[in-house]
Amino acid sequence: AQSVTQLDSQVPVFEEAPVELRCNYSSSVSVYLFWYVQYPNQGLQLLLKYLSGSTLVKGINGFEAEFNKSQTSFHLRKPSVHISDTAEYFCAVSEPGGYQKVTFGTGTKLQVIP
Amino acid sequence: EPEVTQTPSHQVTQMGQEVILRCVPISNHLYFYWYRQILGQKVEFLVSFYNNEISEKSEIFDDQFSVERPDGSNFTLKIRSTKLEDSAMYFCASLGNMNTEAFFGQGTRLTVV
Repeated sequence: AQSVTQLDSQVPVFEEAPVELRCNYSSSVSVYLFWYVQYPNQGLQLLLKYLSGSTLVKGINGFEAEFNKSQTSFHLRKPSVHISDTAEYFCAVSEPGGYQKVTFGTGTKLQVIP
Repeated sequence: EPEVTQTPSHQVTQMGQEVILRCVPISNHLYFYWYRQILGQKVEFLVSFYNNEISEKSEIFDDQFSVERPDGSNFTLKIRSTKLEDSAMYFCASLGNMNTEAFFGQGTRLTVV
């Protein structure tokens, strides 16, 4: 069975500062990894995904994530955050092939402080 | 760009009533899902559906829940007798045979009063 751990439930950060949101996963097989963003009262938007190949993945809105197989991590980073980045961020995992049920982490609320 | 659409965006229902949440997946997708997010909590898997039958369901998906693909385009989630604790955002998702990630709809917020 697969699982995702997001240790930080809330991360406050000043505007224009860098941020890292942590994600660790466990799975007995190879995985696909995702980061989703959810703005208040809205749906899920895919930020980026790791399927295979290069371990550094770039997504929308200036976000990037690095897949580290040995540490089973997929941390999300942005070098300089904006107020508009205030949202909840979910790390998720699925297994390639088949019907690919997605397992989500508990989410990290990013609060950007002016 | 194709998208998954869900209706209604918000539904209020009385406890004990039946409710049907509707989804139109991306055409030519083969796998369909429902997820639930209780306010302030994580997104939880409910059920997956493939080839006109349930392929997996979670513990949450008890006898009060059912899914159906009544025609070639819609995918519905029915809750037979709603409880207060069914209040949540419900997300539909679909996946194509050659896709690597599921596409999510914008969700239906269900409020049971």
